[in-house]
Amino acid sequence: ETGVTQSPTHLIKTRGQQVTLRCSSQSGHNTVSWYQQALGQGPQFIFQYYREEENGRGNFPPRFSGLQFPNYSSELNVNALELDDSALYLCASSLDQGKSEKLFFGSGTQLSVL
Amino acid sequence: GQNIDQPTEMTATEGAIVQINCTYQTSGFNGLFWYQQHAGEAPTFLSYNVLDGLEEKGRFSSFLSRSKGYSYLLLKELQMKDSASYLCAVILGGGSQGNLIFGKGTKLSVKP
Repeated sequence: ETGVTQSPTHLIKTRGQQVTLRCSSQSGHNTVSWYQQALGQGPQFIFQYYREEENGRGNFPPRFSGLQFPNYSSELNVNALELDDSALYLCASSLDQGKSEKLFFGSGTQLSVL
Repeated sequence: GQNIDQPTEMTATEGAIVQINCTYQTSGFNGLFWYQQHAGEAPTFLSYNVLDGLEEKGRFSSFLSRSKGYSYLLLKELQMKDSASYLCAVILGGGSQGNLIFGKGTKLSVKP
């Protein structure tokens, strides 16, 4: 049990639609990161938020956006869904931004785009 | 580009020892992590190496050689519950811990 919860666990959308995925971090964890994990692949970094500001982004287009709230919850929004967006989306939180801080992952949201 | 290589799959016998290798070629390096991920579950932290050498933690040990761009995860006294994917991940220089570059993972199957 990592103390990081994600909702929903599974979601089916059609191409062109928009989706919002939610994450609730451990209390006190100021940093949240989002990852995309395609089947048979390792997680790929989407972006990171620290104290409600985006402070790092991977190689993902602007239609992937996020928000972090003061209550340690966060959202990942994806607009204009494409078939290749089908993946497991993982949220991970840590106490701070230190390099050796453990990341605590949620169990993920499995998104299927038809 | 960033490149992290691990074997795709490995099979081992209960009670045995298995070594999962990871090689990396990245634009920077500030540490290497190993995570375990059971199917349908969250990755869980196993180890973190930033200096060369061996870190031992119970049945699991992790080794790092920065000059060779190489790490391994050693699992001893294998148990059936160790069947999972093992992810090697590097944190690049200047980046915070949230920005990890992951390998594709090694799926380990432990057989009786």
